[in-house]
Amino acid sequence: KQEVTQIPAALSVPEGENLVLNCSFTDSAIYNLQWFRQDPGKGLTSLLLIQSSQREQTSGRLNASLDKSSGRSTLYIAASQPGDSATYLCAVRPGSGAGSYQLTFGKGTKLSVIP
Amino acid sequence: EAGVTQFPSHSVIEKGQTVTLRCDPISGHDNLYWYRRVMGKEIKFLLHFVKESKQDESGMPNNRFLAERTGGTYSTLKVQPAELEDSGVYFCASSQDWRGGQETQYFGPGTRLLVL
Repeated sequence: KQEVTQIPAALSVPEGENLVLNCSFTDSAIYNLQWFRQDPGKGLTSLLLIQSSQREQTSGRLNASLDKSSGRSTLYIAASQPGDSATYLCAVRPGSGAGSYQLTFGKGTKLSVIP
Repeated sequence: EAGVTQFPSHSVIEKGQTVTLRCDPISGHDNLYWYRRVMGKEIKFLLHFVKESKQDESGMPNNRFLAERTGGTYSTLKVQPAELEDSGVYFCASSQDWRGGQETQYFGPGTRLLVL
């Protein structure tokens, strides 16, 4: 059974700092990995999707890396801004078989960027 | 392009009552998913439709939950009768057919259900 862990559960940084959010998963047989952000009382916004064959994806100030063999992904946020404050969720999709469209989520990292 | 929409945004009901949640996926998306987050836990998968067919309902907690997707468009999730442990946030998501390479699941804002 796939398990996804995100550490730390909460993180507070001063504005302008670069930061890294971590995600680990127990079963390396994944199809892809998605990073989301969730603002309080809102839905999930997809940030980046990395296919299992890829090592990283970039979008603006965000860079997500994937090391499938070790079961790890990181989300790097450059020059953090107060508007980046949100909960960041990592989710993996299994590689094949029954339930291969199910996303398994971590509990998230709550990020606060202090002005 | 409109995103995934869900109705209602909030629902407060008493134990034993029935509640029906609705999801409208992004137009043209064949895949529709329901997920749930209960207090303090991670978001968990409930079921997956491909068009009007249930592809995977392995995450449905019990037979008090019934999901339908009429004509392959919008979907409803009915809880009957509701129990206290059903409280949480119910998310709907949609994605295009994977053969188009668009595997990203797009989520709606969720329905916050409170059972008293």
